[in-house]
Amino acid sequence: KQEVTQIPAALSVPEGENLVLNCSFTDSAIYNLQWFRQDPGKGLTSLLLIQSSQREQTSGRLNASLDKSSGRSTLYIAASQPGDSATYLCAVTSDTGNQFYFGTGTSLTVIP
Amino acid sequence: EAQVTQNPRYLITVTGKKLTVTCSQNMNHEYMSWYRQDPGLGLRQIYYSMNVEVTDKGDVPEGYKVSRKEKRNFPLILESPSPNQTSLYFCASSSVQGGVTEAFFGQGTRLTVV
Repeated sequence: KQEVTQIPAALSVPEGENLVLNCSFTDSAIYNLQWFRQDPGKGLTSLLLIQSSQREQTSGRLNASLDKSSGRSTLYIAASQPGDSATYLCAVTSDTGNQFYFGTGTSLTVIP
Repeated sequence: EAQVTQNPRYLITVTGKKLTVTCSQNMNHEYMSWYRQDPGLGLRQIYYSMNVEVTDKGDVPEGYKVSRKEKRNFPLILESPSPNQTSLYFCASSSVQGGVTEAFFGQGTRLTVV
């Protein structure tokens, strides 16, 4: 069974710093990997989707990479802002495309 | 606007009283699924549906039922809720065509069973 781990569980950084969030998964037979943001008590907002054949995706200050063979993905956030404070979740889709497996998330706090 | 809509957003109920949480999407997605989110356990999949009249169990299906009679709707049914089903529930949908399965989530339903 696929297991997804996110390290660290919590991270606190001063505003303006660049930071990296990590996601690892045990089964490399995935369809794609998706990074989400969740604000307290709210739903999940999709940030980036990386298909299994891709190595990275970028959106604004966010860059996500995927190394499928080693079972790792990173989310890089440049020039962090207090508004980036949230929980970040990664999820992998099974190779049949019908099951999602989530990590437990990294809670990010950006200090003004 | 593309969206997944869940209702209700908040629900407090008593043990054993049947309830239904509705989920509707307007993106004509084939795939829909339900998750529960608990502290320290993350999101776990309850049920999913690949298309109308096609449903299957996820990782934690016990105590839940679903149906998919129409493409846009995927209700979650708790026939006899128990306190251990107190949780935050999310519905999601995605398209399985074109090799991309980007998931869109509803805003969540916070359920408390007393």
